Amino acid sequence: ETGVTQSPTHLIKTRGQQVTLRCSSQSGHNTVSWYQQALGQGPQFIFQYYREEENGRGNFPPRFSGLQFPNYSSELNVNALELDDSALYLCASSATRTGADEQYFGPGTRLTVT
Amino acid sequence: DQQVKQNSPSLSVQEGRISILNCDYTNSMFDYFLWYKKYPAEGPTFLISISSIKDKNEDGRFTVFLNKSAKHLSLHIVPSQPGDSAVYFCAPSSRRGGSNYKLTFGKGTLLTVNP
Repeated sequence: ETGVTQSPTHLIKTRGQQVTLRCSSQSGHNTVSWYQQALGQGPQFIFQYYREEENGRGNFPPRFSGLQFPNYSSELNVNALELDDSALYLCASSATRTGADEQYFGPGTRLTVT
Repeated sequence: DQQVKQNSPSLSVQEGRISILNCDYTNSMFDYFLWYKKYPAEGPTFLISISSIKDKNEDGRFTVFLNKSAKHLSLHIVPSQPGDSAVYFCAPSSRRGGSNYKLTFGKGTLLTVNP
């Protein structure tokens, strides 16, 4: 059974650019959540996808968008990057959309915006 | 508005002693409380949880205590081991509030266990 994987590990982008981060959920999981962890902060919930549809969203602007594919893998897209978008982006998968207590996290993608 | 507060950014203890990590919350809709541990370059991993219908949950060296009236919980690690050195996050969720799909994390406490 493979765990949650994320790619790339690190990424450097310039302000105004767009970025796509990828996540493969754990085998058997149909729900993916994305979190942003800024330096010195705890992870903040961005949104969750369940069976290819957005199931809930945190306090993030529309330039943060996502997709979930039929194999339950997911992408996080961020448009018009800002310096404050520099953070660790964590993906978590779970077996149910209500399973906040059963989320398994990937190692994250470190995004630096210059 | 911080709904979850971990007021100690760091804690240092000697191996074999007790580590006590604290967490305060303001949202009365939180009814399920989780602790996650995070090592550098890894994602958070689930450690222990407690439901609001309990005031204590124990799992080996780890015990979590919940004081609902004070909106306070604590994680006790006894005895502490050097491998416990990590950042610990308190992360409640709200099952009855309809937002049980997401976790609300505190800022974390960096625990260092010295040999």
